[in-house]
Amino acid sequence: AQSVAQPEDQVNVAEGNPLTVKCTYSVSGNPYLFWYVQYPNRGLQFRLKYITGDNLVKGSYGFEAEFNKSQTSFHLKKPSALVSDSALYFCAVRDEDSNYQLIWGAGTKLIIKP
Amino acid sequence: DAGVIQSPRHEVTEMGQEVTLRCKPISGHDYLFWYRQTMMRGLELLIYFNNNVPIDDSGMPEDRFSAKMPNASFSTLKIQPSEPRDSAVYFCASSLRPTLNTEAFFGQGTRLTVV
Repeated sequence: AQSVAQPEDQVNVAEGNPLTVKCTYSVSGNPYLFWYVQYPNRGLQFRLKYITGDNLVKGSYGFEAEFNKSQTSFHLKKPSALVSDSALYFCAVRDEDSNYQLIWGAGTKLIIKP
Repeated sequence: DAGVIQSPRHEVTEMGQEVTLRCKPISGHDYLFWYRQTMMRGLELLIYFNNNVPIDDSGMPEDRFSAKMPNASFSTLKIQPSEPRDSAVYFCASSLRPTLNTEAFFGQGTRLTVV
């Protein structure tokens, strides 16, 4: 069965330092991976997606994600964190066998300290 | 487009009362999803519609939950009777036909508290 794991409930990073939010997945077909962000009292907002092609996906606000097929991972990264990046981050995956539905991770709370 | 619009933003109701949550999807999107978010269970897909027709309601927790989509621009999620364990944030999302690379767009959610 398809699944997504975000192994860290919370990640703490000092402002200006690089950040990584981890995501691993399990699907039977080719994965299509997504990152969403949720700010307090707001809905989820799409940030970036991997379809095919380059393993490094660049998104908005300086975020990027690295697809690693052998490790079945899609970690979210940013070279220099901002306090405003503090939010809840969700990884999601779909493949042909999930009937096109997104399978969601549990979310990782990212806290950037000044 | 104003995005996915949900109302109300907050709802506090007493146990046993009927609750109706509303959603207006993005114009032109023919898929609509209802999700529930709780600390314990995370994000759960309750039901989704295609062209106003319910396709998969296997995530609806109990018969107390029902959802309708009378037209392309409006959907409701109803809980009758409500119970304290229904307290959660309910999200509506819409998308174009969910091919493998289609992202969904979420509303701001309705925070439901049943006391």
